[in-house]
Amino acid sequence: GAVVSQHPSWVICKSGTSVKIECRSLDFQATTMFWYRQFPKQSLMLMATSNEGSKATYEQGVEKDKFLINHASLTLSTLTVTSAHPEDSSFYICSAPTSGGRDEQYFGPGTRLTVT
Amino acid sequence: QKEVEQNSGPLSVPEGAIASLNCTYSDRGSQSFFWYRQYSGKSPELIMSIYSNGDKEDGRFTAQLNKASQYVSLLIRDSQPSDSATYLCAGDNAGNMLTFGGGTRLMVKP
Repeated sequence: GAVVSQHPSWVICKSGTSVKIECRSLDFQATTMFWYRQFPKQSLMLMATSNEGSKATYEQGVEKDKFLINHASLTLSTLTVTSAHPEDSSFYICSAPTSGGRDEQYFGPGTRLTVT
Repeated sequence: QKEVEQNSGPLSVPEGAIASLNCTYSDRGSQSFFWYRQYSGKSPELIMSIYSNGDKEDGRFTAQLNKASQYVSLLIRDSQPSDSATYLCAGDNAGNMLTFGGGTRLMVKP
């Protein structure tokens, strides 16, 4: 299957600081990428759709000024958690659909964020 | 609201048995369906995709789709303890988006 990478795999930061998470499609181009958040023992929650060359689309209830998304190229999307607080501690996962027209999505390995 | 429903489980089966995971969806416009496996603490891994009515087999896995009944299932033959995970069903939405079910936790006991 297609390969999606994320960096870092885990990060610990202090409350009030910002954290940037990178998502890369390694062997295909992705005009769209998706960012999810998952709390322990809960299902995936779609946060936003990252669009190359245009603004991200955020799901209802997700603060766009807090979760900044930049789709810099056809293989890279970044999520910046600004002014992080302990309640932002979660597992952040990106995914990208391949361009085969069948919407198969491949997930990155995820980034575990802990805000102290 | 477009929904994908799954029994949260846990579904417990003995090693070597067939595990049957089920999923229903509300959006008749959905054309593509996917099964993901998620181990605890890891991200989801795509294991099966199905687009047409009927069965699709890949090794020990068989996906079944019935669009008239809006029903998708995943059968795992010869279940192994390593199959113990949460299985997520997803259907396509507009703009390459997927709608995920809440997942079914499968436990395969040795």
